[in-house]
Amino acid sequence: EIVLTQSPGTLSLSPGERATLSCRASQSVTSSYLAWYQQKPGQAPRLLIYGASSRATDIPDRFSGSGSGTDFTLTISRLEPEDFAVYYCQQYGNSRRTFGQGTKVEIK
Amino acid sequence: EVQLLESGGGLVQPGGSLRLSCAASEFAFSTYAMSWVRQAPGKGLECVSTISGSGDSTYYADSVKGRFTISRDNSKNTLYVQMNILRAEDTAVYYCAKHGRAGSFDYWGQGTLVTVSS
Repeated sequence: EIVLTQSPGTLSLSPGERATLSCRASQSVTSSYLAWYQQKPGQAPRLLIYGASSRATDIPDRFSGSGSGTDFTLTISRLEPEDFAVYYCQQYGNSRRTFGQGTKVEIK
Repeated sequence: EVQLLESGGGLVQPGGSLRLSCAASEFAFSTYAMSWVRQAPGKGLECVSTISGSGDSTYYADSVKGRFTISRDNSKNTLYVQMNILRAEDTAVYYCAKHGRAGSFDYWGQGTLVTVSS
């Protein structure tokens, strides 16, 4: 099983600032099958990024993903008030699809 | 707009059973694999089971193997999970999720809460 470790656990930032979230895999992720999701309280997760760097439908271009192998990054270029949420990475390179433990982006 | 609507959650005693359903609409249901993902209160996400579009291939997390059975009825555009021998640690919100290209989860239902308690 591929273990995904996200850092930091919590990111305290102000609106307008840049957010950089990390996701490190215990072994190489097949074909960059790495996704990022956003989850707000009481809501289902929403797909932001798939294939490590492709934005999902209707996702603003302030969200970007990068990385390959075992190290991946989600960047939010300028935080909007609606971006404060929990973010999860997920690998789907094999049948054992695993998630990271999440990074909470909170208002400073 | 793709819609996924879960139902069947509720309170059940340890050792009991429950069947969850997920009604899908506005996409070619039989073409896509589907998964059940759960989230315990205040915790992260766990993919517990996956089924191929045709239904002939399934996956189970070790935590539910032998107790949960995933299935689908493509004539009814509905996904199911039969959950038996439920434990307190199965308490969670259960989401159904549609697989997108290459297998990320591009659409999610709103979730249904399963509480296992005496």
